[in-house]
Amino acid sequence: DAGITQSPRHKVTETGTPVTLRCHQTENHRYMYWYRQDPGHGLRLIHYSYGVKDTDKGEVSDGYSVSRSKTEDFLLTLESATSSQTSVYFCATSLGTNNEQFFGPGTRLTVL
Amino acid sequence: GQQLNQSPQSMFIQEGEDVSMNCTSSSIFNTWLWYKQEPGEGPVLLIALYKAGELTSNGRLTAQFGITRKDSFLNISASIPSDVGIYFCAGYTNTGNQFYFGTGTSLTVIP
Repeated sequence: DAGITQSPRHKVTETGTPVTLRCHQTENHRYMYWYRQDPGHGLRLIHYSYGVKDTDKGEVSDGYSVSRSKTEDFLLTLESATSSQTSVYFCATSLGTNNEQFFGPGTRLTVL
Repeated sequence: GQQLNQSPQSMFIQEGEDVSMNCTSSSIFNTWLWYKQEPGEGPVLLIALYKAGELTSNGRLTAQFGITRKDSFLNISASIPSDVGIYFCAGYTNTGNQFYFGTGTSLTVIP
């Protein structure tokens, strides 16, 4: 267990509002990831970070932005939430790009 | 993105039975990971595989990295009720520089 926490764990918001999800790790892993999990799909990568201030897009990055100002924190922001962004969001960390990934407990986001 | 086909989608078995599931793709992968996820929780890593042909065990779980590098297998021996959950595979490809995840196998163990 990589000591990963996510906040909030649950959130209900309205279409058009900004939302920020936070991931915090205590293992000093270099890589951090944001995924979304939806029925019928495997976990899909939104964005990832390979170091402080170093981030890149994943396969479903539209409508999302990220920031990493400290090794231990990785923020996911929905600038203007839409109903299609209703999902469960997971943060993960790893030592290297092809190493084991360890997941947080998830955030369930509902956009009405 | 890459497609990982995981089968079966669901399994209902009696306690004590052995379980087999697999993950296949048309692409070559360099790393395979197997996870278990329970309701309301994040995926928990079970086994990591890094070499074609590799066979790795973790208690009653055994996973193999397929020799073609396009598939991986997970076996659970002598299932127990706490094995219930969804099992995911994930494969890493240098081409995509990320892990791709299967859609999961839902396991129900009947006492």
